[in-house]
Amino acid sequence: AQSVTQLGSHVSVSEGALVLLRCNYSSSVPPYLFWYVQYPNQGLQLLLKYTTGATLVKGINGFEAEFKKSETSFHLTKPSAHMSDAAEYFCAVSEIWANQGGKLIFGQGTELSVKP
Amino acid sequence: NAGVTQTPKFQVLKTGQSMTLQCAQDMNHEYMSWYRQDPGMGLRLIHYSVGAGITDQGEVPNGYNVSRSTTEDFPLRLLSAAPSQTSVYFCASRKTGGVETEAFFGQGTRLTVV
Repeated sequence: AQSVTQLGSHVSVSEGALVLLRCNYSSSVPPYLFWYVQYPNQGLQLLLKYTTGATLVKGINGFEAEFKKSETSFHLTKPSAHMSDAAEYFCAVSEIWANQGGKLIFGQGTELSVKP
Repeated sequence: NAGVTQTPKFQVLKTGQSMTLQCAQDMNHEYMSWYRQDPGMGLRLIHYSVGAGITDQGEVPNGYNVSRSTTEDFPLRLLSAAPSQTSVYFCASRKTGGVETEAFFGQGTRLTVV
């Protein structure tokens, strides 16, 4: 079965510092991987996704993630944090079988705080 | 396009009461699903549907029912609310055959059972 583990339920960085949010997955087949962001009292919105092809994926708001098959990782990074990046971030892997309803399997989430 | 619309946004129920959380999407997506979000547990799948008339259980289905009579709507019913069902509920939809496509989420329903 596929699964996702996010290391660190809470990460705090200073404004302008590097953001690194960790995600490791377990999958017996090449995965489809996603990062979603949830701002307070909002739904989830897509930051970026990896399907096939280039392993470095760029998303919205300056975020990017690198798919590393050898490490089964899909860590999210941003070179310089902004106060508006404070939110909860979820890594997810897609169930691959069409009859499974396009299920997404989520990690536990990482709350990012940005200090001025 | 409105995307995925959930109602209500907030609800307080007494233990034992029943209610229906509404979810509608206007993107003609065949895949729809319900998740619950609890602190430290991410999002857990309750029920999902691959099309009108077809539903199946997810990871945490107990205490919830669903039906899918149209492509657009996917309501979630709580039969007899319990305090353990206090949570934030999200409805999501995805494009047909879309294991590599993004899921679109509603704004959520914050439910408190007292």
